[in-house]
Amino acid sequence: SQQGEEDPQALSIQEGENATMNCSYKTSINNLQWYRQNSGRGLVHLILIRSNEREKHSGRLRVTLDTSKKSSSLLITASRAADTASYFCATETTDSWGKLQFGAGTQVVVTP
Amino acid sequence: GAVVSQHPSWVICKSGTSVKIECRSLDFQATTMFWYRQFPKQSLMLMATSNEGSKATYEQGVEKDKFLINHASLTLSTLTVTSAHPEDSSFYICSASSGGLGELFFGEGSRLTVL
Repeated sequence: SQQGEEDPQALSIQEGENATMNCSYKTSINNLQWYRQNSGRGLVHLILIRSNEREKHSGRLRVTLDTSKKSSSLLITASRAADTASYFCATETTDSWGKLQFGAGTQVVVTP
Repeated sequence: GAVVSQHPSWVICKSGTSVKIECRSLDFQATTMFWYRQFPKQSLMLMATSNEGSKATYEQGVEKDKFLINHASLTLSTLTVTSAHPEDSSFYICSASSGGLGELFFGEGSRLTVL
């Protein structure tokens, strides 16, 4: 069953704006990962945050994790048209290494 | 970074035929590979875990006789969709790891269309 739920389902912004999407999950996790998927393509790993971490940065990406609320957020700053894609969170639990449970995804459209 | 290659990237077949999809780790040995299925505009659903040299472990609801998985070497896992039907049309994606707490790498996916 799907572990993560994401919102919003879709997000439309203009270049230069920030994009924020959220992910909630149900059980205890070892880590939470964010992936990007361009239409019809495979997944690109963006960032991994472990259960004992609260915030992580990578370039224009900022991820937070609140294990008490079982939620995470992905912020893309100064968005570009090339950021147009679907973004998925995925959780890995402590007893199922490598088996990722994906959220429903957020479809982001960045218009020039 | 490590590369995982899937072949074919897309395939169209007639109903009732079997289709084999390959997942290869190109520059590392993958002791474990995972197969996912993704329907249009939906998320990825884990189908099975493929371990080199042993039988695959299937997720609940996935028919093992329908989706045959073989992981005969440390660089190759295959997924065979047997007697494919239109409802099997989907995007199939594999991921691979070198084991332990190694990073996961995803293939580009294989789009199957069954007529």
